Amino acid sequence: DIHMTQSPSSLSASVGDRVTITCQANQDISNSLNWYQQKPGKAPQLLIYGASNLETGVPSRFSGSGSGTDFSLTVSSLQPEDTAIYYCQQYDDLPLTFGGGTKVEIK
Amino acid sequence: QVQLMQSGAEVKKPGSSVKVSCKASGDTFSTYTISWVRQAPGQGLEWMGRIIPIVGIASYAQKFRGRVTITADKSTSTAYMELSSLRSEDTAVYYCARAVAVASFFDYWGQGTLVTVSS
Repeated sequence: DIHMTQSPSSLSASVGDRVTITCQANQDISNSLNWYQQKPGKAPQLLIYGASNLETGVPSRFSGSGSGTDFSLTVSSLQPEDTAIYYCQQYDDLPLTFGGGTKVEIK
Repeated sequence: QVQLMQSGAEVKKPGSSVKVSCKASGDTFSTYTISWVRQAPGQGLEWMGRIIPIVGIASYAQKFRGRVTITADKSTSTAYMELSSLRSEDTAVYYCARAVAVASFFDYWGQGTLVTVSS
């Protein structure tokens, strides 16, 4: 199985801060990487697909980059509504696997 | 508008089975895949398996192989996930999620179904 490691596991930042979450795969997955946002009591929502493509309707302050084994999700200017848990997910091979999640809070 | 509507919460005894449904509307059911993803309380997301409704072929994570069965009824645009030999560790919210291609992203999710396993 492809193992996905996210860091940090949690972070606290101020409104307007630039925030970066990283995701590392234990083998080359090309650009087969998605990012999701999950708010309490809700299903995850797609933010980024194919490592760097912004899903329709997602604010442009979210961006994704990377390929191979190292990926990142950046929020250019953190907003209060961005409080959530963020997950990466690889689709290069079955079983599909998720990172452990990064909890983002506002200071 | 695509919607995935899941069946309601369940409380089950250890050793029993549960079957959760996921009814799709707003798009052609057979042209995409439906996966099942679970989330134990306070934990992360775990992929269990998926089905390609147009051909009825299912794939499962090794962890659940032998205990999970995923099926799809094209006539009602409904996917099902049945998990057997339930234990307390299976207590979780179970989500269905749609992917438009075999190698793709989950663009629509069901609302989740809480399955509680308790004696």
